[in-house]
Order: sequence, then structure tokens, then C-alpha cells
Amino acid sequence: AQKVTQAQTEISVVEKEDVTLDCVYETRDTTYYLFWYKQPPSGELVFLIRRNSFDEQNEISGRYSWNFQKSTSSFNFTITASQVVDSAVYFCALSEVNYGGSQGNLIFGKGTKLSVKP
Amino acid sequence: DTEVTQTPKHLVMGMTNKKSLKCEQHMGHRAMYWYKQKAKKPPELMFVYSYEKLSINESVPSRFSPECPNSSLLNLHLHALQPEDSALYLCASSDWGDIISPLHFGNGTRLTVT
Repeated sequence: AQKVTQAQTEISVVEKEDVTLDCVYETRDTTYYLFWYKQPPSGELVFLIRRNSFDEQNEISGRYSWNFQKSTSSFNFTITASQVVDSAVYFCALSEVNYGGSQGNLIFGKGTKLSVKP
Repeated sequence: DTEVTQTPKHLVMGMTNKKSLKCEQHMGHRAMYWYKQKAKKPPELMFVYSYEKLSINESVPSRFSPECPNSSLLNLHLHALQPEDSALYLCASSDWGDIISPLHFGNGTRLTVT
């Protein structure tokens, strides 16, 4: 069965600290996609990154970076020099093939609530 | 600003009421979704429309009835809801509805059933 585990329920840091959000996944598929979404208090989920199972290069986007390691089935997310605006719930998700192979469906982790205090 | 627009933002309804949630996107996306999210939980998929046809119904009770009038619009008709149906209802869209396309979410409708 496919599964996404975000073991950290809540994290609290002080502004300018670095913080890493962990994500571990399980799948039997050889082709799959991993995503991170951010959900601020306003409610909408914002897409941050997509990574496919064949690309293990780490990615950096400004203060955000992602470390994908197939050997440990992990796709961790690091925020460098955190800011108050980073406060949100962050979801890691795995995209599975559904209903005959043509339809995608997201398996979400339970989310990690990040609070960045000034 | 989000490119997926949902109305209303908040809705309070009684168990005998009939109401509708609306969602609109103008990104040319071919797949649209309804998700339900309870407090402190991840979103749960309810329905998927692909090319205006219902392609996934995740065993949702019939008191929730989706409708896709055209490729830009998605409605969710509500009737005889229960208090446990109170939640944030999120609409999303994606390019193709496949495993690659990221979802673009609206701000959601916060529904309270009294």
C-alpha cells in the first residue's frame, strides 16, 4: 500500500533559524511523483515542488531546498533562514496511478505545522 | 491571488437545506477536483472530473452531488447534510488529471452544518 509519513506534527522555530521537514514514503511503483504543498492559515494549498522517481538531484529555490533520497524513501524539505511568513501547514504527497493507470491521485501525509516566531 | 476561485467563502446551513458550492478556473485545465478537509487533517479526495466527465467518485454519500457544467466550472450540490459534514471544501484543477500534473487549489469554502 502506498503511504506518506510526516512524523513531525508541529515544529516551532524562531525567525532566521533553519528548519527541516521530514517526509518518508512507501510505494511499490517504479514510476511515481512526490510533491510538497504549503497551506497557510488562509486555507488554499499552494504547490511548491514536484519530483519524479528518476530524478534524485536536490533542488534549491531561494530559501527552500529539497533532498530526495530513494535509498531511504525520503523527500525532506529545508527552509533556510525561516521567516514569519513561512508559518503554515506543509504537506508532502505521493502521486499514485489509479483506476487503470490513467488517472492520478494524491496520497497526502498528515502534514507538519510550522510556526515561525519573530 | 489564487487562480481557482471558490464561492462562497463561508456557508452555514441546516440539515434540511439545499445549497451549492461553486468553483471556477480559467487556466485551461482539463481536470477538476473536490476535496474535503477536516481540521488538522490532510485533504481527502471526493470527486474528479476529467474532460467534464466524472472519472473518480471516492464512495461519497449521495447527499453530495457534483456537477461540471463546462470545462471551467465545477459545482458541488449539498442536500440533507449532517453536522459531521462540516469541513473545509477545496476545489482544485490540474492540466491533465494524471500523476504528473500538480494541483492548483482554491481558497476553499468553510462549511458549517447546524
